[in-house]
Amino acid sequence: EVQLVESGGGLVQPGGSLRLSCAASGFIFRNYWMSWVRQAPGKGLEWVASIKQDESEIYYVDSVKGRFTISRDNAKNSLYLQMNSLRGEDTAMYYCARIMVRSFDYWGQGTLVTVSS
Amino acid sequence: DVVLTQSPLSLPVTLGQPASISCRSSQSLVHSDGNTYLNWFQQRPGQSPRRLIYKVSNRDSGVPDRFSGSGSGTDFTLKISRVEAEDVGVYYCMQGTQWPLWTFGQGTKVEIK
Repeated sequence: EVQLVESGGGLVQPGGSLRLSCAASGFIFRNYWMSWVRQAPGKGLEWVASIKQDESEIYYVDSVKGRFTISRDNAKNSLYLQMNSLRGEDTAMYYCARIMVRSFDYWGQGTLVTVSS
Repeated sequence: DVVLTQSPLSLPVTLGQPASISCRSSQSLVHSDGNTYLNWFQQRPGQSPRRLIYKVSNRDSGVPDRFSGSGSGTDFTLKISRVEAEDVGVYYCMQGTQWPLWTFGQGTKVEIK
């Protein structure tokens, strides 16, 4: 059974940093592109970042470029999102998602990031 | 960037009756490989999104056959043939044609009358 379990969310002040993690199991992690998708409270879904199997291709939504860094450790079956210079508008539930057929076929339960003073 | 516009944004339905959600794209979603990467997701209250449909009309494993997707080019539709109580939630369309710049529609909230 495919499982994606996010962790690392919490309350952080504006300008602060957080590192999110996603532990994957039930599939061969190193064979898949992976992604982070977020959802602000009461709002819709927004793709944030994606990473190729060997990290040779990485993409970000414009609003996080230069502040967020996506990475992975295939030996640990883990995906990460380093978030720096956090802003209020980054407050959201962050989901880890597997990419299949140019889409997100499995999602984690999410980890909540709140940016507030 | 591709903009996806869903309608309606709110859809009250009677149990057992059909429901239909539209998703219109600002540009054609036909990829140069001939495929159209339009997906539908369901998000039940308090849950993570779940993919229902990929490439316009392909149901994911475990998705009831009362859900169907159709359309082409820029106009797409998700239909629920007979709404059940467990179908309450928000439905999103999403395009993957402009990989890796995915975009979602605004979401359509389905509720029981």
